[in-house]
Amino acid sequence: GAGVSQSPSNKVTEKGKDVELRCDPISGHTALYWYRQSLGQGLEFLIYFQGNSAPDKSGLPSDRFSAERTGGSVSTLTIQRTQQEDSAVYLCASSLGLGPGGRGVEQFFGPGTRLTVL
Amino acid sequence: RKEVEQDPGPFNVPEGATVAFNCTYSNSASQSFFWYRQDCRKEPKLLMSVYSSGNEDGRFTAQLNRASQYISLLIRDSKLSDSATYLCVVSPLTGGGNKLTFGTGTQLKVEL
Repeated sequence: GAGVSQSPSNKVTEKGKDVELRCDPISGHTALYWYRQSLGQGLEFLIYFQGNSAPDKSGLPSDRFSAERTGGSVSTLTIQRTQQEDSAVYLCASSLGLGPGGRGVEQFFGPGTRLTVL
Repeated sequence: RKEVEQDPGPFNVPEGATVAFNCTYSNSASQSFFWYRQDCRKEPKLLMSVYSSGNEDGRFTAQLNRASQYISLLIRDSKLSDSATYLCVVSPLTGGGNKLTFGTGTQLKVEL
């Protein structure tokens, strides 16, 4: 079946502009996550949606970052007034939520959006 | 101190060699543990989950030592196709959802 898809695959923008990144999770997956990976850095958690619960925004680095998940499916990550340090690969993942005993289940990652802020 | 620490490598090994990666984590509340594999400029993919009793999947063996907060991955009879970056990943139990904390990865290069 179809995996997680993200668009655009590459985005080049100028400092100060707003950008929107889109994620289409695997159908039926209730949990959706955003991460980013900067050059030479590990993946960094940004935000997590689980069903109809309030999202966990604890990883968002500043109030310039926000995300929505409409209808429990597609998600959009918005970065306002982009800065050069926002340049990274933004990865979306989805999963079936929590496994037995609340343990983690496999997250399936999309191919990412490579954001370059000039 | 990083929450998940790994030796970045690279580990350059000949085909057929056995190689071991180690990882330590700082959050004693971590309950779920994984190894993910990431090929160059690709997304991470789950290699295997890590259980307290240790688990094996073909040529891959994962071990968890909760007392030492230490996770390992052993690859036997390494293949050229094993060349990738191996990410050590931990996750909290409920309450923290299933957000993952990644190490920066250990790079493996398997050579002829």
